[in-house]
Amino acid sequence: DGGITQSPKYLFRKEGQNVTLSCEQNLNHDAMYWYRQDPGQGLRLIYYSQIVNDFQKGDIAEGYSVSREKKESFPLTVTSAQKNPTAFYLCASSRTHKSYEQYFGPGTRLTVT
Amino acid sequence: LAKTTQPISMDSYEGQEVNITCSHNNIATNDYITWYQQFPSQGPRFIIQGYKTKVTNEVASLFIPADRKSSTLSLPRVSLSDTAVYYCLVGDLVQAGTALIFGKGTTLSVSS
Repeated sequence: DGGITQSPKYLFRKEGQNVTLSCEQNLNHDAMYWYRQDPGQGLRLIYYSQIVNDFQKGDIAEGYSVSREKKESFPLTVTSAQKNPTAFYLCASSRTHKSYEQYFGPGTRLTVT
Repeated sequence: LAKTTQPISMDSYEGQEVNITCSHNNIATNDYITWYQQFPSQGPRFIIQGYKTKVTNEVASLFIPADRKSSTLSLPRVSLSDTAVYYCLVGDLVQAGTALIFGKGTTLSVSS
């Protein structure tokens, strides 16, 4: 089955620790995205990548970092510099960065205490 | 980017047709209109996309008037499983390459 996987589903960390969220896709899509969703809110774009070895900041990139060394993988690191890291994180991919149809993973719920 | 305005919430009963309207007064010539559905604790799912007039697929219909300043997502005969948040997005990915912007969406509650 083709799709996007995110792991883990739930993640707990202590304040001050960096944490990396995994996102893998086997859809052969060029573009990948990371969003953050807070309770009762819409999705906010953190980073996106149009192609391997390239990525751009979204609206709320501060305190986050990404890499795109492989087409299939787009990990997100939440650093200790992110002031309010507790949120639901969603990864998505699309055939190209010009595609309006994005495919989303199941999400990772991160709790930092 | 064109700003969109949707109702915060809507209620319906099973079997009814639901129409969710999105206002986008500042839509640009090359902007497309896209709708997504999101269930609790899941990622959004693409429903439908259009540029003008009417688009229909197996899930929904999208009506866009000639001036394109609004659009209406129509869900025929909803069921309990259609309870979700529906997002209207407006943007130009082909020409301008801008990323899609998800607002707060419309929370649809379907009751029996």
